[in-house]
Amino acid sequence: GAVVSQHPSRVICKSGTSVKIECRSLDFQATTMFWYRQFPKQSLMLMATSNEGSKATYEQGVEKDKFLINHASLTLSTLTVTSAHPEDSSFYICSARLGGGAVYNEQFFGPGTRLTVL
Amino acid sequence: QKEVEQNSGPLSVPEGAIASLNCTYSDRGSQSFFWYRQYSGKSPELIMSIYSNGDKEDGRFTAQLNKASQYVSLLIRDSQPSDSATYLCAVNKIQGAQKLVFGQGTRLTINP
Repeated sequence: GAVVSQHPSRVICKSGTSVKIECRSLDFQATTMFWYRQFPKQSLMLMATSNEGSKATYEQGVEKDKFLINHASLTLSTLTVTSAHPEDSSFYICSARLGGGAVYNEQFFGPGTRLTVL
Repeated sequence: QKEVEQNSGPLSVPEGAIASLNCTYSDRGSQSFFWYRQYSGKSPELIMSIYSNGDKEDGRFTAQLNKASQYVSLLIRDSQPSDSATYLCAVNKIQGAQKLVFGQGTRLTINP
């Protein structure tokens, strides 16, 4: 159980285009999902917390107008990187929280999306 | 002081030995703790969660938590080459915005 999928796994795009990444919880409902970014040889950096039916909460320094998050259902959250630039090239990973409320916050990660902006 | 600190390694352990990974955290109010394994180029995989003081065992893995010392560790017994990966310690921060805070990870290499 606790499987999270992510699509696409890899995307290469031209500078200035927008890219949408989907994150799905396959066998459980996730009221809360998280979006992370990871640069080579660095740890995970939380970008935003996505709650079903409400606006995402962004971490300090993350531009909400550039990284659009939509959590329209209990099994799907999307991240859209708008007007992507080469510096946005990174490994984007989503996670979904498996119940338990705030105290436990057991998160399961999707396989990640490697974005390369030319 | 970082919120979650790990020795970045690399940590080299011979096959069959015990690998010991350590993590300290700064928020004394933290209540849940996790170890994730991340292979190169892949996303993190949850391998252990621990919520109360003491030891928790799952197969070859044992997580140890000492809230008084703000210390959590992961022991891997009978280490295998397939255990070679980066191990991330994560602590649930519930004060303010609720989220996991990750350490920088310890790179573990098991030598055959």
